Amino acid sequence: GDSVTQTEGQVTVSESKSLIINCTYSTTSIAYPNLFWYVRYPGEGLQLLLKVITAGQKGSSRGFEATYNKETTSFHLQKASVQESDSAVYYCALVHTGGADRLTFGKGTQLIIQP
Amino acid sequence: EAAVTQSPRNKVAVTGGKVTLSCNQTNNHNNMYWYRQDTGHGLRLIHYSYGAGSTEKGDIPDGYKASRPSQENFSLILELATPSQTSVYFCASGDRLGGDTQYFGPGTRLLVL
Repeated sequence: GDSVTQTEGQVTVSESKSLIINCTYSTTSIAYPNLFWYVRYPGEGLQLLLKVITAGQKGSSRGFEATYNKETTSFHLQKASVQESDSAVYYCALVHTGGADRLTFGKGTQLIIQP
Repeated sequence: EAAVTQSPRNKVAVTGGKVTLSCNQTNNHNNMYWYRQDTGHGLRLIHYSYGAGSTEKGDIPDGYKASRPSQENFSLILELATPSQTSVYFCASGDRLGGDTQYFGPGTRLLVL
């Protein structure tokens, strides 16, 4: 089946420093999946941060970027300068367009920003 | 703006009791989903639905039932709640016309004593 592995547990970054959260995926399908980053802010539900449906393309939103790399099967999330408001839990996910419309999530990474 | 609401937002139940979690979406999406989120596990799919009258088992369906009486509503039912079902539950809606993006509700925090 499909699986997503991302940086586990907590990541602590000082405000204005750079961030990378690693995400790699594995799929048994011959088709390339759509890749997503979702974010959950405290007290809220998950919301889409960015998505990329074409291998080799980059998605960006709110200063975050992720590039779909089919060679390394990776979709790392990066930000050049984090802010305190970025504190949240981040989830990497994939879906097969030809499948049952089911998202496969990583376990989530809690980002803590130190002032 | 996509809208998914859940009720209740918080629930305390007793072991062996029946619990119903409700979800409503105004996005007119065909698909709806129920997940639970636990530390160390991320989000796990319990049940999902392709439309009114349909329910499908997800990855962890044991101990849960689902009901989709209409396009807008999708319920998760715990007939005999157990402490292991203490968790945060999220409902979501989405479909291929929306590019497979799922829109999530705010979550329901369930404590089974």
